[in-house]
Amino acid sequence: NAGVTQTPKFQVLKTGQSMTLQCAQDMNHNSMYWYRQDPGMGLRLIYYSASEGTTDKGEVPNGYNVSRLNKREFSLRLESAAPSQTSVYFCASRAQGTGADTQYFGPGTRLTVL
Amino acid sequence: QKEVEQDPGPLSVPEGAIVSLNCTYSNSAFQYFMWYRQYSRKGPELLMYTYSSGNKEDGRFTAQVDKSSKYISLFIRDSQPSDSATYLCAMSSASGGSYIPTFGRGTSLIVHP
Repeated sequence: NAGVTQTPKFQVLKTGQSMTLQCAQDMNHNSMYWYRQDPGMGLRLIYYSASEGTTDKGEVPNGYNVSRLNKREFSLRLESAAPSQTSVYFCASRAQGTGADTQYFGPGTRLTVL
Repeated sequence: QKEVEQDPGPLSVPEGAIVSLNCTYSNSAFQYFMWYRQYSRKGPELLMYTYSSGNKEDGRFTAQVDKSSKYISLFIRDSQPSDSATYLCAMSSASGGSYIPTFGRGTSLIVHP
């Protein structure tokens, strides 16, 4: 049981390049989330998926797209990377309907855009 | 003003001290209150969860919610160097598919031997 996994762990991009961050969970959770974490800013929600087949914008969606490929996988795509997207990206999942509204986070992807 | 305010610290304490971490919030609809611990270069992990008002204790950790004052606290007794981490508060007004927590910015805690 690996929990939430993210790939890659580190990435350096040049401005204008594209990339996809991958996230997978093996806990059979319905909901999945993408956050970015910047110094002094806390966790900010980019996109989320309440269930397979649905996605919704969060607080900071501009410059990103997501795909809920199946119940396990939720990917985040940067079509044309900008230096402002330099950040640490966390994926999280959550079991819907449980008493404790617990989000389980992955280890993060550290992205630098030059 | 952010919906959830949290002092970023750092808060530096000696080993064995009682630590108090706090968050204030403005949205009276929040009902679910969480504390996450995040070690350096790791993802956050849930430490404590409380629904509505009251106290909850788990070992050396106590979470307290005062909805009338819109104030939540996390107390750590007999703090250890291994407690050195960033502590994030989070809160939400809804459960189910609409669960979107709002996070504080996190407080950095340093427990020195």
